[in-house]
Amino acid sequence: GEDVEQSLFLSVREGDSSVINCTYTDSSSTYLYWYKQEPGAGLQLLTYIFSNMDMKQDQRLTVLLNKKDKHLSLRIADTQTGDSAIYFCAESTGSYIPTFGRGTSLIVHP
Amino acid sequence: DAGVIQSPRHEVTEMGQEVTLRCKPISGHNSLFWYRQTMMRGLELLIYFNNNVPIDDSGMPEDRFSAKMPNASFSTLKIQPSEPRDSAVYFCASSLAGDGNQPQHFGDGTRLSIL
Repeated sequence: GEDVEQSLFLSVREGDSSVINCTYTDSSSTYLYWYKQEPGAGLQLLTYIFSNMDMKQDQRLTVLLNKKDKHLSLRIADTQTGDSAIYFCAESTGSYIPTFGRGTSLIVHP
Repeated sequence: DAGVIQSPRHEVTEMGQEVTLRCKPISGHNSLFWYRQTMMRGLELLIYFNNNVPIDDSGMPEDRFSAKMPNASFSTLKIQPSEPRDSAVYFCASSLAGDGNQPQHFGDGTRLSIL
């Protein structure tokens, strides 16, 4: 079955880089997503990567995909207090709806 | 553009009462999803619709839960009778297609408290 694993918490200092990691089990995954959830709000799509890509960069965000190890990461450069949120990794095979991880709470402190 | 709209944002009611949550998906989206989020279990998919037809309701906890989508612009999730363990945040999401190739767009959720 499909499974997506993430660590529950990450604490970083403002200005540092944050790296949030995710592992998945389904080798036929075609799309991998990162969502951000701020307090009191729904999940907002941050970025996504297709499985034939290794890397995608979008301003301060860098997504790295290691298909061999089924490992996905989200790097946030120059982390700000406004980046504090829960970050969800999700994967899909294209035939089913996405499977979400439990989410990583990112805490940014001065 | 208007996103997914859910109502009410908050609901507090006593156990045994009927609860109805409402969702308006993004116009043009043909797939709609209902999720429940709790600290203990994370994000759980309850049911999803394609073109107003329920496709998979295996995540619906029990017969007390029911969902309808009478047209492309409206869906309801009903709990009757409600119990304290139903307390959670309920999200509605929509997408252009229900196959995972299109990202889901989430509403801001309904925070439900059953006393």
